[in-house]
Amino acid sequence: AQTVTQSQPEMSVQEAETVTLSCTYDTSESDYYLFWYKQPPSRQMILVIRQEAYKQQNATENRFSVNFQKAAKSFSLKISDSQLGDAAMYFCAYKIGNTGKLIFGQGTTLQVKP
Amino acid sequence: EAGVAQSPRYKIIEKRQSVAFWCNPISGHATLYWYQQILGQGPKLLIQFQNNGVVDDSQLPKDRFSAERLKGVDSTLKIQPAKLEDSAVYLCASRSAGGSRNPSSYNEQFFGPGTRLTVL
Repeated sequence: AQTVTQSQPEMSVQEAETVTLSCTYDTSESDYYLFWYKQPPSRQMILVIRQEAYKQQNATENRFSVNFQKAAKSFSLKISDSQLGDAAMYFCAYKIGNTGKLIFGQGTTLQVKP
Repeated sequence: EAGVAQSPRYKIIEKRQSVAFWCNPISGHATLYWYQQILGQGPKLLIQFQNNGVVDDSQLPKDRFSAERLKGVDSTLKIQPAKLEDSAVYLCASRSAGGSRNPSSYNEQFFGPGTRLTVL
C-alpha cells in the first residue's frame, strides 16, 4: 500500500530565511506524481508545486522548490525567503498515474516569525 | 473561473442525527472527490466520481455514509446517523479530464473551502 510520511509536525522559520519540509513515501509503482499542498487557516487547500516521477529535474515555482530523490523515496519542499503569508499547514501528497486519487501525509504546520 | 463551492461551511449536530453536505465543482470538471479531514491529519479520500459514476468508494463507511452525483455536476454527501468520530472537515475537490488544451492542469485537483462538522 502507498503511504506518505511527514515526520515534522511543526516547523518554524524566521521571515526571509529558508526552511525545508520533509516527506517520504512508499510505493512499488513507477509512474506517479508528488505534490505539496498548502492549507492556510481558512482551510482551502492550494497546490504549491508538483513533481512527475519520471522527471529527474527538480520542480521549482518561484520561492518554492523540491528535492526529489526517487531512489530514497524522498520529496522535500524548500521555501526560500519565507514570508508571513507562508504560514500554513503543508501536506505532501502522492498520486498514482492517472487515477487521480491522492494520498496525503499527516501535514507539517509552518510558523513564520517576523 | 469560479472555484469549487461547498455548503454549509459549518454544521453542528448531535450524534445520531443526519446531515448533508453539498458541493458544486468547477464547471466542466468531470471528476469529483470527497475527502474527510480529521483535525491534525491529512485528508482521506472517501469517494471519487467520474461524471455521475462512482470510481472509488473503498474508504466510504457505507453503513452510514452515502454520496451521489446526479447529472454529473453537483454532489451531495450524507451521513446518517452521525457519530462523534465523524467530526471533521469534509473537503470536496474537482479535476478536469485534461487533454491537449490544458495539459498543465491535467493532474491538479482544486479544493473547495470545506464543511466543518461538529458532532456533539
